[in-house]
Amino acid sequence: DTEVTQTPKHLVMGMTNKKSLKCEQHMGHRAMYWYKQKAKKPPELMFVYSYEKLSINESVPSRFSPECPNSSLLNLHLHALQPEDSALYLCASSQDPRRTSGRTSTDTQYFGPGTRLTVL
Amino acid sequence: AQKITQTQPGMFVQEKEAVTLDCTYDTSDPSYGLFWYKQPSSGEMIFLIYQGSYDQQNATEGRYSLNFQKARKSANLVISASQLGDSAMYFCAFLMDSNYQLIWGAGTKLIIKP
Repeated sequence: DTEVTQTPKHLVMGMTNKKSLKCEQHMGHRAMYWYKQKAKKPPELMFVYSYEKLSINESVPSRFSPECPNSSLLNLHLHALQPEDSALYLCASSQDPRRTSGRTSTDTQYFGPGTRLTVL
Repeated sequence: AQKITQTQPGMFVQEKEAVTLDCTYDTSDPSYGLFWYKQPSSGEMIFLIYQGSYDQQNATEGRYSLNFQKARKSANLVISASQLGDSAMYFCAFLMDSNYQLIWGAGTKLIIKP
């Protein structure tokens, strides 16, 4: 099973709202990722969790707050967002690429369907 | 700096024809992985095929195959017998051994004409 689920599919929020995006995987993967994707652009990495610990934060503004409650779940808490934060937010999971040296197909990142976020 | 290049911003192809989407990369790492993803207008990023730098054979997955030319640093995706459902954005991505963040190409928008 290579399924990653994300909720909600669509989200509209005002600049003063607080909301959360959720991501779940049951593939036994120990690395989970948040990406932001603008239209017609490749995804931009935001955060990486490895074994439930934040290992990469790509200089993301503090209005985005990630959380990894357990190895299957990843949340992204949103607060005081700006209209330019409107985008598709993708969650992904993979085996932890740092576990061994040498790249293999188990490094493949599997993505969820995404959440389309609109900030008014 | 490592980078990955997709030179075709858009392509129109007649249904049932074969399609080649170009991807070149630049790295000095001997160990790396190359990935192709498909993203339909619905937004989901769908993994298609993987090629490792040490793999002796070119990767194949159903109608998808990867034309891997290591010396030229190219990893072109070939879709045989294209279908209307193949219309989507296609991204090539690259993962080095020394840095486990995917590096993405700019993407190619493929439109299959009936």
